[in-house]
Amino acid sequence: NAGVTQTPKFRVLKTGQSMTLLCAQDMNHEYMYWYRQDPGMGLRLIHYSVGEGTTAKGEVPDGYNVSRLKKQNFLLGLESAAPSQTSVYFCASRPLDNPGTEAFFGQGTRLTVV
Amino acid sequence: QKEVEQDPGPLSVPEGAIVSLNCTYSNSAFQYFMWYRQYSRKGPELLMYTYSSGNKEDGRFTAQVDKSSKYISLFIRDSQPSDSATYLCAMSGPSGSARQLTFGSGTQLTVLP
Repeated sequence: NAGVTQTPKFRVLKTGQSMTLLCAQDMNHEYMYWYRQDPGMGLRLIHYSVGEGTTAKGEVPDGYNVSRLKKQNFLLGLESAAPSQTSVYFCASRPLDNPGTEAFFGQGTRLTVV
Repeated sequence: QKEVEQDPGPLSVPEGAIVSLNCTYSNSAFQYFMWYRQYSRKGPELLMYTYSSGNKEDGRFTAQVDKSSKYISLFIRDSQPSDSATYLCAMSGPSGSARQLTFGSGTQLTVLP
């Protein structure tokens, strides 16, 4: 059981380049989330999805786009990378609303924009 | 002002000490309170979960929630070097709100052998 898998684990981009981060979960979870983690800032929600074909903005959505064409996959895109997007990105998933359910996180993607 | 405030530390204690980690929050709609543990270069993992006010104990860990004061705590008894990690508090609203988690900034804990 792989849980939540993020691809790639590391990436260095030049300013203005684009890239897509892939999150895949094999737990049949409805909810999926993208967070970024910066020193002293904790985890901040970028975008989230409550089901296949649906997405919504989180706290810090600017500069990012997402898509959830399949239930098990949640893609995060950077169209024109900026140094301010240097961060560690975490994907998470959780099942349908049910008290006590936890969010399962991937191992993270370390992105550096130079 | 952030919705969830957490002292970032770092906090360094000797092995066997009692550790107290705390968060305050401003959103009275939060009903679910969690503590996640994050080891270096890993994703967060759920450590403790509490619904509404009260205490919950799991081995050496105790989570407390005081909704009247908007204050939550995590206590670690007989701390071990393996407890060295960043501890993140997290909170979410009522059912039906997509249960988005709002995180504190995390407290970095080091337990010295």
